[in-house]
Amino acid sequence: KQEVTQIPAALSVPEGENLVLNCSFTDSAIYNLQWFRQDPGKGLTSLLLIQSSQREQTSGRLNASLDKSSGRSTLYIAASQPGDSATYLCAVSKGDYKLSFGAGTTVTVRA
Amino acid sequence: DTAVSQTPKYLVTQMGNDKSIKCEQNLGHDTMYWYKQDSKKFLKIMFSYNNKELIINETVPNRFSPKSPDKAHLNLHINSLELGDSAVYFCASSQMGDSAEQFFGPGTRLTVL
Repeated sequence: KQEVTQIPAALSVPEGENLVLNCSFTDSAIYNLQWFRQDPGKGLTSLLLIQSSQREQTSGRLNASLDKSSGRSTLYIAASQPGDSATYLCAVSKGDYKLSFGAGTTVTVRA
Repeated sequence: DTAVSQTPKYLVTQMGNDKSIKCEQNLGHDTMYWYKQDSKKFLKIMFSYNNKELIINETVPNRFSPKSPDKAHLNLHINSLELGDSAVYFCASSQMGDSAEQFFGPGTRLTVL
């Protein structure tokens, strides 16, 4: 059974600081890994999708890396802003038509 | 131009009632899903449908019955609601293929009293 862990559970940083969010998974036989953002009371917004053959993906200030062999992914958010405050979720797919989610990291960016 | 939409957004009902949640996607995707987010905010797959066919039923009680009238819709009917069914239910969709990106709806917050 795939288990996904996100550390830390919560993070508070001053505006402008870079954010580093960690995700680990127990079964390295994944097809892809997806990072989401969830705002309070809202749905999930897909941020980045990394296929198993890729090492990283970038979108604007966001960069996600994937080390499949060690079962790890890291989401970097450069020059954080108060608008980046949200819960960030990591999810992995084993090619079985379902995502296994971590519990998320709640980020607060202080102005 | 909403990609994945759900109705209703909020649902408050008494124990024992039957209720339905509707989901529609206009992305032209072949695969749709239902996830449940519990009070601890943990998201878990319930069902996956591909081309209107059930692929995954993740040990969900048979009080929950998904129905897919066409590829753009996946509705969730819940019979005999229980207190423990209170949660946020999310619909999602993706292109056919097990490595496709999933897109989520806004969620339906179900409260059973």
